[in-house]
Amino acid sequence: EAGVTQSPTHLIKTRGQQATLRCSPISGHTSVYWYQQALGLGLQFLLWYDEGEERNRGNFPPRFSGRQFPNYSSELNVNALELEDSALYLCASSLAGQGGTGELFFGEGSRLTVL
Amino acid sequence: GENVEQHPSTLSVQEGDSAVIKCTYSDSASNYFPWYKQELGKRPQLIIDIRSNVGEKKDQRIAVTLNKTAKHFSLHITETQPEDSAVYFCAAPGGSYIPTFGRGTSLIVHP
Repeated sequence: EAGVTQSPTHLIKTRGQQATLRCSPISGHTSVYWYQQALGLGLQFLLWYDEGEERNRGNFPPRFSGRQFPNYSSELNVNALELEDSALYLCASSLAGQGGTGELFFGEGSRLTVL
Repeated sequence: GENVEQHPSTLSVQEGDSAVIKCTYSDSASNYFPWYKQELGKRPQLIIDIRSNVGEKKDQRIAVTLNKTAKHFSLHITETQPEDSAVYFCAAPGGSYIPTFGRGTSLIVHP
């Protein structure tokens, strides 16, 4: 069974540009979570999607947005990139709404570098 | 929302020693407490979890203990091996059911 897949693996952008990151969950999983992993800060919650709807968002500015498609894949968009957006962006999936009560399955992440 | 504190940030041990990592949480609604291991350059993976209706759970060399009254839970690794070297994260969901992670503990096991 395929795990959670993310693309691209690495992305280099300059300040002010926009970045789009993509995630495909495990088959049968409808919940997708996005986390930002910056050095020394652990995993910071960004967004949670389930059944095509945004269910919750973390304490990040509106230029972080995303969506979930009918096949439950998801994309994360970051507009007006700033240097501090440089981080590893991790996507995780779970069975419907069970990320808080069951295992999260993580992808390998997308490394975003903003110059 | 939930707030999770994790200590220590770095833990260095000799092979064969035990390692203990502690986390505290703030939201009494939290009822599921997982631990994830992230090896260098790899994805975080669940290694053990505990639910609020039990106080301890073991799986070979790893164990997790939970004290709901004090709102803290701990990861115990016995007979550490070099392959245990990784970053370990605890998490708690709070009432929002969003996993909130601690900042991580970098465990270094010296051969």
